[in-house]
Amino acid sequence: AQSVTQLDSHVSVSEGTPVLLRCNYSSSYSPSLFWYVQHPNKGLQLLLKYTSAATLVKGINGFEAEFKKSETSFHLTKPSAHMSDAAEYFCVVRTGGFKTIFGAGTRLFVKA
Amino acid sequence: EAGVTQFPSHSVIEKGQTVTLRCDPISGHDNLYWYRRVMGKEIKFLLHFVKESKQDESGMPNNRFLAERTGGTYSTLKVQPAELEDSGVYFCASSQEAGNPYEQYFGPGTRLTVT
Repeated sequence: AQSVTQLDSHVSVSEGTPVLLRCNYSSSYSPSLFWYVQHPNKGLQLLLKYTSAATLVKGINGFEAEFKKSETSFHLTKPSAHMSDAAEYFCVVRTGGFKTIFGAGTRLFVKA
Repeated sequence: EAGVTQFPSHSVIEKGQTVTLRCDPISGHDNLYWYRRVMGKEIKFLLHFVKESKQDESGMPNNRFLAERTGGTYSTLKVQPAELEDSGVYFCASSQEAGNPYEQYFGPGTRLTVT
């Protein structure tokens, strides 16, 4: 069975400091992993995706994530937070059979 | 290129009433998905269309929910009769192909409140 656990429901950082949003997954098959972001009143936007190529994936807006099979993790990072990064972030796993499983979401707060 | 659009953005109805949500996918995307996020819970898959056919409707909660995609273009999701537990945000997504590594493009969602 597939599952996704986002380890923090809320993360608060100061502007200019690093961001770390944690995600662990469970999958019986080689999964594809995604991070989506949702700003208020907007649709979910794809930040980045891992599909069995390079384990370090770079996405939009300076975000990146590293796929660590031994730790079954896919944590999202950004070196320096910006006020515009405040949003809700979703870690998503999809197996080859099209099933898409969402994590519960992590709300990121950025303080000035 | 226009993204996935959903209508209405918000809907407030009384228990027992009927509501129809609409989703217009990105032009040319054969695959259309419905998801739902109930308050405080994860976003959950409802169903998947390939063109006008239901590929997977394993996530539909019960027979009060009816999804259609006539002609393989836009889709509607009807809830009849609505119950309090149906409140949440309903997302629609579309993709050119199904499965990995194809990205699903999401709409802004319809927030449904049943009172």
